[in-house]
Amino acid sequence: DSGVTQTPKHLITATGQRVTLRCSPRSGDLSVYWYQQSLDQGLQFLIQYYNGEERAKGNILERFSAQQFPDLHSELNLSSLELGDSALYFCASSVGDRNTDTQYFGPGTRLTVL
Amino acid sequence: GEDVEQSLFLSVREGDSSVINCTYTDSSSTYLYWYKQEPGAGLQLLTYIFSNMDMKQDQRLTVLLNKKDKHLSLRIADTQTGDSAIYFCAESSSNTGKLIFGQGTTLQVKP
Repeated sequence: DSGVTQTPKHLITATGQRVTLRCSPRSGDLSVYWYQQSLDQGLQFLIQYYNGEERAKGNILERFSAQQFPDLHSELNLSSLELGDSALYFCASSVGDRNTDTQYFGPGTRLTVL
Repeated sequence: GEDVEQSLFLSVREGDSSVINCTYTDSSSTYLYWYKQEPGAGLQLLTYIFSNMDMKQDQRLTVLLNKKDKHLSLRIADTQTGDSAIYFCAESSSNTGKLIFGQGTTLQVKP
């Protein structure tokens, strides 16, 4: 158990809908990262937050947004969902925001868009 | 650019050694990581190596880094059926905290 929790574990929804994925980092970690794992794209970095502020952005679609709250948990919002958004979404956390800080991953949320 | 490449599949017999290879492009990467993903599970950090090291050993795992060739390998000694999983190599971006992952190598261990 990495100490990173994600809810829900599974999510099934329809095209055009909006969903929210939640992540709680390990105790003491200030950085949260979101990754998407799909069959065609592999594991891709989406976005990073550090202590409530956006730090880095990857290949995140405009329909997707994230935030980190004062208690350090983070939410990833996915809207106007398309079939191609079906994927496993991982959250990771690290103690700081340096590239030398090890990232620990949560169990993921599997999103299925029908 | 940043890119990480791995072979997609490796099959070994139980008790043999497994060697999973990875190449990366960002020469300024500070840390290189190996993660393991079992079916239906998340990513488990196995080990990592700092870019100024050549080798790191951790029980049955040995990581070798050839910085000149930008080649990383993970050796698993005495491979067991429980080692069957997908193994991901990742480099940390030089200017952000993001990880750049390879495609993953599926390790199949035959009894």
